[in-house]
Amino acid sequence: TQLLEQSPQFLSIQEGENLTVYCNSSSVFSSLQWYRQEPGEGPVLLVTVVTGGEVKKLKRLTFQFGDARKDSSLHITAAQPGDTGLYLCAGARSGYELNFGKGTSLLVTP
Amino acid sequence: NAGVTQTPKFRILKIGQSMTLQCTQDMNHNYMYWYRQDPGMGLKLIYYSVGAGITDKGEVPNGYNVSRSTTEDFPLRLELAAPSQTSVYFCASSYSRPSTDTQYFGPGTRLTVL
Repeated sequence: TQLLEQSPQFLSIQEGENLTVYCNSSSVFSSLQWYRQEPGEGPVLLVTVVTGGEVKKLKRLTFQFGDARKDSSLHITAAQPGDTGLYLCAGARSGYELNFGKGTSLLVTP
Repeated sequence: NAGVTQTPKFRILKIGQSMTLQCTQDMNHNYMYWYRQDPGMGLKLIYYSVGAGITDKGEVPNGYNVSRSTTEDFPLRLELAAPSQTSVYFCASSYSRPSTDTQYFGPGTRLTVL
């Protein structure tokens, strides 16, 4: 059962464009994390959001946690080739497990 | 600190063979995890451990076994390898629960079962 649905699955854009990636669920999460994974490497944590409605900014990346804590979005402003990678959202509930989405593969071309 | 290290990086197994994937962390983390990642499928939790001597099943534990005799090491054992176990395996660790703490991932082991 896939608890978290990410969209789009693939995204190919040119340098300088803006984009938004979505992570949706029918379940409530105590927190939600976003990871970026580059080819041949493990995922690296970008941010954790824990409060409904929370917005966090990391340079050109803006993360939002939905008011009901069921969904999240990642917005990238003026994308750069260095942003290329697989973006994964992961939700935590009450236990010790993280539930991962399938990921959004982003390609930014110069 | 080396962080989370995994060996081997690549391995090809024949159907029915067994092997152990090694994972070591030097951050004195209590929590350790094993995930598998299949193309387009995200990460699925196989097993996790909340401390030495304590392990529990995740979402996809069938065909795998784990042990945790020390804080640092969390090996994953594959018995009677099957083609369905072809995947990339990631080990991760964190100091506390994933809802509040960062999980640090190793570089992965790419396993092919033929």
